[in-house]
Formats: sequence, C-alpha cells, structure tokens
Amino acid sequence: AQSVTQLGSHVSVSEGALVLLRCNYSSSVPPYLFWYVQYPNQGLQLLLKYTTGATLVKGINGFEAEFKKSETSFHLTKPSAHMSDAAEYFCAYSGGGADGLTFGKGTHLIIQP
Amino acid sequence: EPEVTQTPSHQVTQMGQEVILRCVPISNHLYFYWYRQILGQKVEFLVSFYNNEISEKSEIFDDQFSVERPDGSNFTLKIRSTKLEDSAMYFCASRSSYNEQFFGPGTRLTVL
Repeated sequence: AQSVTQLGSHVSVSEGALVLLRCNYSSSVPPYLFWYVQYPNQGLQLLLKYTTGATLVKGINGFEAEFKKSETSFHLTKPSAHMSDAAEYFCAYSGGGADGLTFGKGTHLIIQP
Repeated sequence: EPEVTQTPSHQVTQMGQEVILRCVPISNHLYFYWYRQILGQKVEFLVSFYNNEISEKSEIFDDQFSVERPDGSNFTLKIRSTKLEDSAMYFCASRSSYNEQFFGPGTRLTVL
C-alpha cells in the first residue's frame, strides 16, 4: 500500500529565509504527487502537482517542488518565506484513475518575524 | 472561478442520529470524493464516486456511511447512526479527467 511521510510536524523559519518541507512516498506504481496548503479554518488549496514530464514543478505563491524518483521524494521549497506562508502543508499521493489521495500527516509552517 | 461548495459549514448532532452532508462539485467534473480530517490529524480518504457508483472506498467507509448523487449537481454523504468518533471536518472534492482534485471548504461535524 502507498504511504506518504512528511518529516517534521512543525518547521519554523525566519521571514525571508528558505522554506524546505520534506515529503517522501512509497508506492509500487508511478505516482501523481501534490502539495496542498490549509490556512486556519479553511479547506485545502492546491499549491502544485507532479503528474508526468518535467520533474521540477512550479506552483502558486512562489513555491516549487522537485520529483526525485531515485529518492522517492517530492520536497517543497520557497526561496524567501513570507509571513503569509504560515499554514499547514500537506503532501499527497495518487496512483491515478479514480484513486483517492493519500495524505501525509502535514507540516505546520511557522514564520518568525 | 468555479469552486466546490459544501453545506452546512457546521453541523452539531446527537450520537445515534443520522446526518447528511451536502456538496455541490464543480459542474463539469466527473469524479467525486469525500475525505475527513479529525482535529489535529491528517486528511483521510473515505470514498470516490464515478459514473454513478462507488469506485473505491477506505476501511473507514463502513456500512454506516453511504454516498449519493441524487441529481445532476449534488453529492451527499450520509452517516446513518453517528458516533462520537465521527466528529471531524469532512471535505468534498471533485475533479475532471485530469488528476487535480478541488476541495470544498469542509463541514465541521460535532457529535455530542
């Protein structure tokens, strides 16, 4: 069965610093990978996705992620953190078709002024 | 921009009561999903629905749960006899033939 592991339930960075949120997956089939962001008391908003093709994907709000098959990873980065980036971030996996998403446990991103 | 909507935003019910959570997916989408998120925990897949039938369901989706698309626009999740542990945020999602799922804002279910 597939699984998604997010390393670090809480990550704290200073405003303007690099953001790195880690995600690893395990799967026996080629993955579709997603990062979602959840602001307090809100739903899930898609940041970016990897389906096929280019392994470096760019998303909204300056975020990007790189799919590394050899490392089974899909880490999320942003060069310069902004206070508005403070939120919960979820990595998710799908095997395609009508499959539901398998989510990681989430990483709470804290931005220090 | 089209979006998934859910009603109600918050539902409070007594243990043992039936609840129906409602969702209006994006109009041209073909696949529909329900997820739940217990407070402080990760989002968990419940069920997927395509071509008027369940495509996949998780272990959580037992006989107490059912889904229906009663008309061309609504997608509902019914819990027949709610338990305390059903208290959670329930998210509806939909997608077209592409893999991106769009999520609704959620319904917070509180079972007393």
